[in-house]
Amino acid sequence: EADIYQTPRYLVIGTGKKITLECSQTMGHDKMYWYQQDPGMELHLIHYSYGVNSTEKGDLSSESTVSRIRTEHFPLTLESARPSHTSQYLCASSELDSSYEQYFGPGTRLTVT
Amino acid sequence: KNQVEQSPQSLIILEGKNCTLQCNYTVSPFSNLRWYKQDTGRGPVSLTIMTFSENTKSNGRYTATLDADTKQSSLHITASQLSDSASYICVVSDRGSTLGRLYFGRGTQLTVWP
Repeated sequence: EADIYQTPRYLVIGTGKKITLECSQTMGHDKMYWYQQDPGMELHLIHYSYGVNSTEKGDLSSESTVSRIRTEHFPLTLESARPSHTSQYLCASSELDSSYEQYFGPGTRLTVT
Repeated sequence: KNQVEQSPQSLIILEGKNCTLQCNYTVSPFSNLRWYKQDTGRGPVSLTIMTFSENTKSNGRYTATLDADTKQSSLHITASQLSDSASYICVVSDRGSTLGRLYFGRGTQLTVWP
């Protein structure tokens, strides 16, 4: 079991609310990622980070933002949630070299009503 | 275009039976290929990771094969158990560096019936 944690596991929230999804890892990994996954579909990379103060946008355009103030912490924020943001959000971490294993958190299932 | 295609999309087998899942990819350059198991509502968990020079790798009842020439991989599950019911995702990495990225398949949804 990987030492990467996400909270909350489930979140149901109304349109227009601001939300922050938390992700923490205790493996000392420099690289961290956020993926979005809809049922039966592949994972889509929405954000990643090479380390503290580094954030990059992924392949899938997202209205969310991320920050990396500490190595172990990589929160994702939605300023104004919409029903189109309903999805599963998965956080992952790895060594800097992409040859190495990527460890995933349990995910946050977000529903925006 | 770099892609990862998996088949079948879904599969139902009886407990104790074997099965094989397929993965074809067009990712280039190639660094490694991974198989992940994802239980419903959970994050993916790694089963195997293979580089260009490896053509088979086992993890308990899971055996992955890789043919880098034909760009195909398979995941064989032996003596299936109810706990094997999950989505199995094939992932290909395009280079072993900080710039490398992963390409994900949509997964094969396996259901094991008693």
